[in-house]
Order: sequence, then structure tokens, then C-alpha cells
Amino acid sequence: GQQVMQIPQYQHVQEGEDFTTYCNSSTTLSNIQWYKQRPGGHPVFLIQLVKSGEVKKQKRLTFQFGEAKKNSSLHITATQTTDVGTYFCAGWMDSSYKLIFGSGTRLLVRP
Amino acid sequence: DARVTQTPRDKVTEMGQEVTMRCQPILGHNTVFWYRQTMMQGLELLAYFRNRAPLDDSGMPKDRFSAEMPDATLATLKIQPSEPRDSAVYFCASALGQGPYEQYFGPGTRLTVT
Repeated sequence: GQQVMQIPQYQHVQEGEDFTTYCNSSTTLSNIQWYKQRPGGHPVFLIQLVKSGEVKKQKRLTFQFGEAKKNSSLHITATQTTDVGTYFCAGWMDSSYKLIFGSGTRLLVRP
Repeated sequence: DARVTQTPRDKVTEMGQEVTMRCQPILGHNTVFWYRQTMMQGLELLAYFRNRAPLDDSGMPKDRFSAEMPDATLATLKIQPSEPRDSAVYFCASALGQGPYEQYFGPGTRLTVT
């Protein structure tokens, strides 16, 4: 079936280090969204990418959508303890008309 | 500010009992989703509605789960009878319009079935 894979499953970094999570789809996506879920909380929308090769930035966060619209990445520069949480990508597939969530990457930051 | 609300926030019940979870979407949002989150399976889409009509419930175990939208301000998810494997956090989310718009999640209902 349609799947959105996300790696790594966990990442434990020292505060100040960079962090990247990768998202890959078995099929072409019409767009991709990223969500953050703090421990004990609920997913919160971060951003949506629509165009092939699109790059968007939010302060220390950089989001990319691959040229083939099958992969995406989220990069955090100089992590802070407030970045702790699980980051999910979610791909929209026109064929199924629904959002498919990746398995998430859990980020832990050592102060 | 506008938020999705869910009740109850926590529910502990015994196997075999009926469980009803409620969700109030953001006023004006016409698409409502039910998700289940577990450590093993991650975030799974159970069902979703648009303009109160069920569009997709393929992710939902049909024999024991049912989802409805009695009106535009209330969505319900029922499990009858509940089983220990149903233990999870159930999230409701709402969105405005059809298509890939951002989803606003509620705080979730943590269900424990003993």
C-alpha cells in the first residue's frame, strides 16, 4: 500500500548540534506537510511544501521537498532543548485523497 | 483562540465495555479526522468526514468501531466491545476545505482497556 517512511526513528543530540530527519514515499506526492508533537502533546502543523524542489525556512528549521516529489527533509540548525519532540512528515496523495503520516523521528536534546 | 476539543481526556475501562469519545472541531471546519496513535503503529487514520458525511473509514475495525457526526459541531468515535489492544491515544483533527490543508489536532483521549 501507500507508505511514507521516515528515518531515523530516534536521534539524540547535544544541544547546539544539527539535526536532520528524512521522509521517503513509495509514490509521488502532491504535497508534504510537517508536524511536531511535544512529549505528551498533540501534533502541531509546522509547514506545507507543494512545489518540486521547494525549500522553506522557519528560523532554525529548513524544509525541503525533493525534485521528484517523493522525498523531503527537515533540518534543524543548532538544536535547543525546546526542539525536543517527535517530527512527523505527512504526504498528500491525490490518488487516495488523504494524508499519510510517516512513522516520525523522535528528537532528544542533551542540555 | 480556536481549538479542537476532545472528551474525555483519559478513559480507563474494562474489556467488553463500550467507550465513546467526543470531538468538537474548530467552528467552520468542515473536515474531521479520527486518528489512533500507538508506539507500535504510529499515527493511523481511522476515519474522516467532510460536511458530516463519512468519506473514508477503511482504517477502522468495522466490527467494533463506529464513527459518526450527529451535527457539524460534534464527532463521535465508539468502540463496542472494547479490547485491551484498543489501548491507545485517539486524536481528532479538523481542517477547513477539501484537499491537503493543514490539520488542527485536539489534545487526544488516552484510552486504557484492562
